[in-house]
Amino acid sequence: EVQLVESGGGLVEPGGSLRLSCAASGFTFSNAWMSWVRQAPGKGLEWVGRIKSKTDGGTTDYAAPVKGRFTISRDDSNNTLYLQMNSLKTEDTAVYYCTTISNWGQGTLVTVSA
Amino acid sequence: DIQMTQSPSSLSASVGDRVTITCRASQGIRNDLGWYQQKPGKAPKRLIYAASSLQSGVPSRFSGSGSGTEFTLTISSLQPEDFATYYCLQYNSCPLTFGGGTKVEIK
Repeated sequence: EVQLVESGGGLVEPGGSLRLSCAASGFTFSNAWMSWVRQAPGKGLEWVGRIKSKTDGGTTDYAAPVKGRFTISRDDSNNTLYLQMNSLKTEDTAVYYCTTISNWGQGTLVTVSA
Repeated sequence: DIQMTQSPSSLSASVGDRVTITCRASQGIRNDLGWYQQKPGKAPKRLIYAASSLQSGVPSRFSGSGSGTEFTLTISSLQPEDFATYYCLQYNSCPLTFGGGTKVEIK
């Protein structure tokens, strides 16, 4: 069974940093292109960014609102996906999901507030 | 960027009704589209991929159609557990983009 389990969310002040993790199991993580998707309270889904598998180059792509502030990385030896979030803004407040696009984690809440 | 225009934004329907939701892409995306169902407080669940392929385990009352710029999700006979919000997602090119969502409510 595919499982994606996010962790690392919490309350952070504007301008602060946070790193989210996503532990993957039940599939060959190293072959998967992985994305982060977020959902602000009461709003729709917003794609944050993606990292390709290393065999496909391991490159990353980001949505415009987070480009230059967020970094996606992966540790294939530990089946873990990361999202490093810097220079956080109040508008980054959301539930963050780790996803293969077919399978989704349960999400972790990030609140950016003074 | 490819814009996904989803309609309607909400609808009221009764159990047993046939429901249709549409997504229009601002440029052609072949059949690189998925449909998702989301219930309050839960993660999205994929129903359809490649525009018309039914995800394993999803009831056959759900179906998808379309290619290029026009896509449709149809629920042939709405069931109580289908009341939720539905999103389309294009994965033809980055940035991936979602439709704005359709909330299906009980009439």
